[in-house]
Amino acid sequence: NAGVTQTPKFRILKIGQSMTLQCTQDMNHNYMYWYRQDPGMGLKLIYYSVGAGITDKGEVPNGYNVSRSTTEDFPLRLELAAPSQTSVYFCASSLGAGDTQYFGPGTRLTVL
Amino acid sequence: AQSVAQPEDQVNVAEGNPLTVKCTYSVSGNPYLFWYVQYPNRGLQFLLKYITGDNLVKGSYGFEAEFNKSQTSFHLKKPSALVSDSALYFCAVRRGGANNLFFGTGTRLTVIP
Repeated sequence: NAGVTQTPKFRILKIGQSMTLQCTQDMNHNYMYWYRQDPGMGLKLIYYSVGAGITDKGEVPNGYNVSRSTTEDFPLRLELAAPSQTSVYFCASSLGAGDTQYFGPGTRLTVL
Repeated sequence: AQSVAQPEDQVNVAEGNPLTVKCTYSVSGNPYLFWYVQYPNRGLQFLLKYITGDNLVKGSYGFEAEFNKSQTSFHLKKPSALVSDSALYFCAVRRGGANNLFFGTGTRLTVIP
């Protein structure tokens, strides 16, 4: 059982480039989330989804976009990368809103 | 609004001693409270949660947490610390009816052999 998988593990982008962070879960969870983790700042919610076709903004959505065409996949798109987006990105999923969230291993992104 | 505070960035404890990692929260209504642990270069792992019922919650790896409504606290505890418990610990809160969690800034626990 793979749980939540994320690709890539590491990536370096130049300012202005774009990329998509991939997230897949095989637990048939309805809810999926994207967080960023900055040193000393804990986790901040970027976007979340309560089911296929439904997404909503979190605390820090600017500069990001998401889509949820299937239950399993929840990609995060960065358009016009900026140094402020240097961070570790975590995807998570849960069965319902109040249920335990299960996290992927993270993607470490550096924007130079 | 909902928020959670972890007042200590760093906690050091000797191996075999009891450990406490503090968490206080602010949320309207009844809170859902969680503790997660993060080992280096890994994602967060669930330890335990409180939704309702007994104020003392037991979780993975011998950890437990006590919900105190009057003090709005949910401190993580373990009777006897292991070196392998050294990690970053996050407290999180969800307001009933909300779709997401709010995380604290984390407490780095170091268990000294």
